[in-house]
Amino acid sequence: ETGVTQSPTHLIKTRGQQVTLRCSSQSGHNTVSWYQQALGQGPQFIFQYYREEENGRGNFPPRFSGLQFPNYSSELNVNALELDDSALYLCASLAGGSTDTQYFGPGTRLTVL
Amino acid sequence: RKEVEQDPGPFNVPEGATVAFNCTYSNSASQSFFWYRQDCRKEPKLLMSVYSSGNEDGRFTAQLNRASQYISLLIRDSKLSDSATYLCVVTPPGYSSASKIIFGSGTRLSIRP
Repeated sequence: ETGVTQSPTHLIKTRGQQVTLRCSSQSGHNTVSWYQQALGQGPQFIFQYYREEENGRGNFPPRFSGLQFPNYSSELNVNALELDDSALYLCASLAGGSTDTQYFGPGTRLTVL
Repeated sequence: RKEVEQDPGPFNVPEGATVAFNCTYSNSASQSFFWYRQDCRKEPKLLMSVYSSGNEDGRFTAQLNRASQYISLLIRDSKLSDSATYLCVVTPPGYSSASKIIFGSGTRLSIRP
């Protein structure tokens, strides 16, 4: 296994609610990326955090926000949930070198009703 | 046009067969190329990097054609355990593989006994 953990594994919310997803990176990894994977699609890059700062962002609206903590764990927050936010949310951690492999966690499956 | 495009499949082939997938990318200045494998309801895992000269890892061979902007994956002597979705991944210009990677939608492969 990759050593990357995510919680919760599954979540059901209703439109308009807010959600927080959590990711614990592999030991020694200071960088976390978040991805959204809709059914039948590949993962899409949301943003990346490096040493507690946002380090790049994909084409997602501001209601998708994140945090990284001093222990390098991370949170993804989504406000004003929409039906299209239903997806598998993956985090990936890496040590921070320019050619590092990204190690993915098992994901959180979010369903918005 | 999508940045990374793949034939979604499914490819349904008998055990022992050879199967090949292609993936095209739109930005000619893309930097790095990879194949990931994703089992049903699991996280993506790096299968192999793709180098300009082509590279092989056991039964798997990856090729890059920069002129035509495609990468390929060949699987020889396919096993039942090769059944999965294969995701083509590209690093866009200006990014490292550690910062932002773009996934294709994946090609689903099913190996039958």
